[in-house]
Amino acid sequence: QQPVQSPQAVILREGEDAVINCSSSKALYSVHWYRQKHGEAPVFLMILLKGGEQKGHEKISASFNEKKQQSSLYLTASQLSYSGTYFCGTEFTSYGKLTFGQGTILTVHP
Amino acid sequence: NAGVTQTPKFRILKIGQSMTLQCTQDMNHNYMYWYRQDPGMGLKLIYYSVGAGITDKGEVPNGYNVSRSTTEDFPLRLELAAPSQTSVYFCANQGTGTGYTFGSGTRLTVV
Repeated sequence: QQPVQSPQAVILREGEDAVINCSSSKALYSVHWYRQKHGEAPVFLMILLKGGEQKGHEKISASFNEKKQQSSLYLTASQLSYSGTYFCGTEFTSYGKLTFGQGTILTVHP
Repeated sequence: NAGVTQTPKFRILKIGQSMTLQCTQDMNHNYMYWYRQDPGMGLKLIYYSVGAGITDKGEVPNGYNVSRSTTEDFPLRLELAAPSQTSVYFCANQGTGTGYTFGSGTRLTVV
């Protein structure tokens, strides 16, 4: 059961904000968020465990709504370096296997 | 501290040939994974391992095999390469309660 990400693509100007959503039809143990730049490997941003916690990483934060089985990634005051494809990865048990969404392409223009 | 190292970075195979994609880690993590990523797509799990001597299939295991004789190494074997196996292959590991650390990837083309 692949999680569904929305939107598929976002275009921003520097300084604008964006929200990327990740939804699952199955109960989740955790949600991971990764950013991948073109031609590179995905890079881990943060992990959220069930319990509805919110985490932050500089101007990037995320929440996990256990009732809705949905996570949202918030990017505030976007910078050019935020451009890339964002993937959520969902985990149904504590055994570590991630199922990744199809990705959201984020483009930040000057 | 290298993290997760994959070799080779690029490879062109002819249909029917075989090869092994190497993956080694220096982080002493038990959990290791192989994913493939087709152009413009997400990552699909091929095989994973929760420790030396233990491996299991992921979502797309057909045409591949793995072994895990040590904590450090997790090679992926392609037998009888097919054009459908043209992809970028990523090896990753995971520590307890942390995210994945990915290797730099192997770009494989089967012609």
